[in-house]
Amino acid sequence: EVQLVETGGGLIQPGGSLRLSCAASGFTVSNNYMSWVRQAPGRGLEWVSLMYSTGTTKYADPVKGRFTISRDNSKNTLYLQMNSLRAEDTAVYYCTRGNAGAAAGWGQGTLVTVSS
Amino acid sequence: DIVLTQTPLSLSVTPGQPASISCKSSQSLLHSDGKTYFSWYLQKPGQPPQLLIYEVSNRFSGVPDRISGSGSGTDFTLKISRVEAEDVGVYYCMQSMQLPWTFGQGTKVEIK
Repeated sequence: EVQLVETGGGLIQPGGSLRLSCAASGFTVSNNYMSWVRQAPGRGLEWVSLMYSTGTTKYADPVKGRFTISRDNSKNTLYLQMNSLRAEDTAVYYCTRGNAGAAAGWGQGTLVTVSS
Repeated sequence: DIVLTQTPLSLSVTPGQPASISCKSSQSLLHSDGKTYFSWYLQKPGQPPQLLIYEVSNRFSGVPDRISGSGSGTDFTLKISRVEAEDVGVYYCMQSMQLPWTFGQGTKVEIK
């Protein structure tokens, strides 16, 4: 069974850093394209970042230069390092597994709250 | 960025009746590889989104056949032939033809 479990969210002050983790089971992270999608409270879905199986990474403009997506193949885990956090980064962050051009699998999400 | 516009934004449906959601793209989602990277998701209350339809009309694993997707180019439709209580939630369309991936605003479906 495919499973994605995100951890690492929490309350952080503006300007701070957090690292989100997404532990995968039932498939190999490095063989798939993986992404992070976020959802601000009461709002819609926003794509954040993508890592292809090749290791190539892509970012949405609002997070470019501040967020870094990576993976640890030995742990079958995807990460999102978030620096210089802003209030507008407050959201539930979902890890997704790509398949056929879609986000086929989603974790339960982890809430990041940026506030002083 | 590609803009996806969903209509309606909310829908109240009697159980057993059909429902339809439209999603229009600001540009064609037909990729040079011949595939159209357009998908539909349902976010049930308190849950993460779940994939329903990929590449316009392909049902994802476990999706009932009363849910179907159609369309091409810039115009797409999700249809539920007979709405059930489990269909309540917010439906999103998404394009992955071009980065950044973008989503529609969402359509909230409730049962009358």
